[in-house]
Amino acid sequence: QKEVEQNSGPLSVPEGAIASLNCTYSDRGSQSFFWYRQYSGKSPELIMFIYSNGDKEDGRFTAQLNKASQYVSLLIRDSQPSDSATYLCAVNGGPGSSNTGKLIFGQGTTLQVKP
Amino acid sequence: DTEVTQTPKHLVMGMTNKKSLKCEQHMGHRAMYWYKQKAKKPPELMFVYSYEKLSINESVPSRFSPECPNSSLLNLHLHALQPEDSALYLCASSPQLLAGGNNEQFFGPGTRLTVL
Repeated sequence: QKEVEQNSGPLSVPEGAIASLNCTYSDRGSQSFFWYRQYSGKSPELIMFIYSNGDKEDGRFTAQLNKASQYVSLLIRDSQPSDSATYLCAVNGGPGSSNTGKLIFGQGTTLQVKP
Repeated sequence: DTEVTQTPKHLVMGMTNKKSLKCEQHMGHRAMYWYKQKAKKPPELMFVYSYEKLSINESVPSRFSPECPNSSLLNLHLHALQPEDSALYLCASSPQLLAGGNNEQFFGPGTRLTVL
């Protein structure tokens, strides 16, 4: 089992729709969860982070965390063509694990928003 | 200032060259990172510095040599690289090196390295 799993996509949604990106992780002790957006040829940009169970909203983005199910998701409302990018889920290794202090990345999900 | 800067943007080097990549942040962050990223793959951690001391080395070949001269600067010295080392090299910083909280990592724009 991979430590952080994402569906590689591509996920294609029409402009104005809600895009739902999902991620599961294996380290039950993980405490920090991040979503990065990466445009082709550019570096990853941090768009959301979440530490507690539940929802966290920032503009059109909502991050959802369920530690019991080891699941984190990102919802993008009113998707725009400019949201087309690769979205990387990253999880910080839990205390006492071999990955403490390290960001473990999923393989990324490619999102395509069609006008 | 919420920016991590990296120089140069692009670098082409031969296998016998010695070059350095530079990274700078002025956010007061105490943890700094080097990553390597190949096309269509996630970033791969190379080194982590915390409070200017090397905390994590992910078994990186010795032809890559990191240096942290002060709390704002991070260098990566390159020597005798191989063509397979061609990649995007990313620097990142975070407030602290912690398992939970206050550890959000911010990436610089990267250096696109080509080894001939």
